[in-house]
Amino acid sequence: EPEVTQTPSHQVTQMGQEVILRCVPISNHLYFYWYRQILGQKVEFLVSFYNNEISEKSEIFDDQFSVERPDGSNFTLKIRSTKLEDSAMYFCAIRVGEQYFGPGTRLTVT
Amino acid sequence: SQQGEEDPQALSIQEGENATMNCSYKTSINNLQWYRQNSGRGLVHLILIRSNEREKHSGRLRVTLDTSKKSSSLLITASRAADTASYFCATDADRDDKIIFGKGTRLHILP
Repeated sequence: EPEVTQTPSHQVTQMGQEVILRCVPISNHLYFYWYRQILGQKVEFLVSFYNNEISEKSEIFDDQFSVERPDGSNFTLKIRSTKLEDSAMYFCAIRVGEQYFGPGTRLTVT
Repeated sequence: SQQGEEDPQALSIQEGENATMNCSYKTSINNLQWYRQNSGRGLVHLILIRSNEREKHSGRLRVTLDTSKKSSSLLITASRAADTASYFCATDADRDDKIIFGKGTRLHILP
């Protein structure tokens, strides 16, 4: 099973600050995804990324969000100006047949 | 939109009993997956069943898929305390498409 790590495991930030969440798949992959899960709610799709381009994004993924793969291995999700409602678990996933999820980053915006 | 909806929302059973959770979705799918999530933790992939399969087993897990009814069930036999978690079904339609998760069933195994 492909291994996906995410850093940090927990991020606390003040409202209005920028955060960068990182995803590191152990081996090379082409399909990447970000999902989020607000506490007590279901997992929601944010964005899919294929061949270094966004292939699909949800309504949640507005101009405050961006993704990139800066060095060919890390896959990052940036939130430019965090809001309280951005507090959630953020999961990175890769696709190898089915999707494999990282352990998540818990983002707390205060 | 395709969307998995689990039923029941919460389920409490005695250790050793079987737990059955159901999932319904709205549109055609390529496959359906079940995930487990312990409180506040990551998503653990349990099993994937393809649209041309009707039943699949993995250890104490049994998954069925009825594409005519757009529904799936997850059966956990001989439940254990460690099975206490939330269980989500998730569907996708295209090879590089997103996964749509249901709201999940919170399973509590009573000692």
